[in-house]
Amino acid sequence: DGGITQSPKYLFRKEGQNVTLSCEQNLNHDAMYWYRQDPGQGLRLIYYSQIVNDFQKGDIAEGYSVSREKKESFPLTVTSAQKNPTAFYLCASSIGDTDTQYFGPGTRLTVL
Amino acid sequence: KQEVTQIPAALSVPEGENLVLNCSFTDSAIYNLQWFRQDPGKGLTSLLLIQSSQREQTSGRLNASLDKSSGRSTLYIAASQPGDSATYLCAVRPAGGGNKLTFGTGTQLKVEL
Repeated sequence: DGGITQSPKYLFRKEGQNVTLSCEQNLNHDAMYWYRQDPGQGLRLIYYSQIVNDFQKGDIAEGYSVSREKKESFPLTVTSAQKNPTAFYLCASSIGDTDTQYFGPGTRLTVL
Repeated sequence: KQEVTQIPAALSVPEGENLVLNCSFTDSAIYNLQWFRQDPGKGLTSLLLIQSSQREQTSGRLNASLDKSSGRSTLYIAASQPGDSATYLCAVRPAGGGNKLTFGTGTQLKVEL
């Protein structure tokens, strides 16, 4: 069954802690993306990766970090430097950088 | 900087009605435009993708049109059903391709029995 999985579905974090959100795909896609979604706002791009061992900052990368050590995995770390991390985080992938993006089910992060 | 606007923000219609969702963008230099559906608390599902050279795309009861010169796209839903209730988002990709989609804030649709 091909697709994109994100875990966990819900995540709670205390202020000052780093947390890592998982994103895995078995679609053999080269490109992967992380978006943040806030109420009343469109999705905003955090980071993207076009190929293994390479990634670029999106529009709101401050306070986040990523790695792309394997083609199928693109984890996102929300660091304590992120001022307002409570949001819904969506991972996506595509065959190439101009192709349709396919989205995972999302992770809702809440900072307590 | 590209800006994408979707009006209305919310819409409620009776079952069976035909409806139109609107998407406007400020920079007409786009590569393509995509419509997505998002159910509450879930990820996005791609509905239709229109290339900049195309005028419309159809899939089942859905028809999306694109008027690049005026910076507008519409998503037409025929014979709406309660199962169509969701948030619909449009996103544009800049000319020259590339990864960076700019999303609208969405229209939340409710189809009532």
